[in-house]
Amino acid sequence: KNEVEQSPQNLTAQEGEFITINCSYSVGISALHWLQQHPGGGIVSLFMLSSGKKKHGRLIATINIQEKHSSLHITASHPRDSAVYICAVSSMNYGGSQGNLIFGKGTKLSVKP
Amino acid sequence: GAGVSQSPSNKVTEKGKDVELRCDPISGHTALYWYRQSLGQGLEFLIYFQGNSAPDKSGLPSDRFSAERTGGSVSTLTIQRTQQEDSAVYLCASSLGASMGTEAFFGQGTRLTVV
Repeated sequence: KNEVEQSPQNLTAQEGEFITINCSYSVGISALHWLQQHPGGGIVSLFMLSSGKKKHGRLIATINIQEKHSSLHITASHPRDSAVYICAVSSMNYGGSQGNLIFGKGTKLSVKP
Repeated sequence: GAGVSQSPSNKVTEKGKDVELRCDPISGHTALYWYRQSLGQGLEFLIYFQGNSAPDKSGLPSDRFSAERTGGSVSTLTIQRTQQEDSAVYLCASSLGASMGTEAFFGQGTRLTVV
């Protein structure tokens, strides 16, 4: 079982739709990251959360520490949002080392015009 | 620099050759990480440097892989006698603190293809 699970694996949406990507984790964490990877392979950090909610433009990220769950929402989706969205957690105890990131397998989002 | 810089962005090499991948972290970031993403797979931890401490090499897949970080800044990941299964995107990240609880910044990655 993966320590970080994302759903769905693949998501196709029409332009303008509200999108939700979910992330559940099973380890104790110090922070959770949402990352965006475009087809060229480059990765951009969207959010880092340790509690509550953050908003940046059309993107909203929430985390529920008790339920070990986070969601990434995209409002008024656009074709340029098409990318792989990756959830990663920072766990102080993973592998006996400090600060390793554990990654989900990603959600591939395709927004059609 | 303004961000984490990796070079080369793409590398094609013949099986059995050695390759060196470079990561230049954000100035002042004491923590540096290497990750690998094989085709269709998630990101996999390779190695972690924190300041002058001994690196955490627990993610390196074999003894053909090694990494060093000179002067607490630039890091080089070396793969000796490359194999086709080494083909992947190699990603570097850095952060200010000892844990990734501080914000992580990622490079654009090096796409390695072993033919």
